[in-house]
Amino acid sequence: DVKVTQSSRYLVKRTGEKVFLECVQDMDHENMFWYRQDPGLGLRLIYFSYDVKMKEKGDIPEGYSVSREKKERFSLILESASTNQTSMYLCASSSDRLPYNEQFFGPGTRLTVL
Amino acid sequence: KQEVTQIPAALSVPEGENLVLNCSFTDSAIYNLQWFRQDPGKGLTSLLLIQSSQREQTSGRLNASLDKSSGRSTLYIAASQPGDSATYLCAVSRSGGSYIPTFGRGTSLIVHP
Repeated sequence: DVKVTQSSRYLVKRTGEKVFLECVQDMDHENMFWYRQDPGLGLRLIYFSYDVKMKEKGDIPEGYSVSREKKERFSLILESASTNQTSMYLCASSSDRLPYNEQFFGPGTRLTVL
Repeated sequence: KQEVTQIPAALSVPEGENLVLNCSFTDSAIYNLQWFRQDPGKGLTSLLLIQSSQREQTSGRLNASLDKSSGRSTLYIAASQPGDSATYLCAVSRSGGSYIPTFGRGTSLIVHP
């Protein structure tokens, strides 16, 4: 079974702190994604990566950056956390091999910024 | 731009009912469509994936159908149980090599005993 893990289930940080969210997948997937999910807004794509060291902006990249130094690991960085970044963060991965674009999600990180 | 709509947004049914969840999309040039389940506070769990060349997929009590020409997919849940209570989301991937699926907002299902 595909497994996508996220470093924390719950995280509480203070405004202005630098926050790291880590995601690891064990299925050798090429593509990895970071989403945030908020009530009434659905899933919104922050960044995605289709290869090591490659990254593309999603719909809402402002205030975030990402790092993908190894194929299995994709990190989301909040450079200076703000209260409006309080949200559920979801990591996903998918393969370029058949069946293409089947997405597998991690358990999520509930981030609260005080 | 692809838009994915799920109606109704919420549904409450008694245990044992057969039910249908709907997903509609505006651009029929899709590669595949995926149905997910999400429990409160958790990540998304993949239920079924339908490739564009397929008409339906089945897993246990779940059956998903796809009609590209009308831009619709349905998720049929047979003999619903309280454990089926969750939010169900569909996501559509565009043909042409895009890696990015477009998600619906989901249908929140409650199955009461």
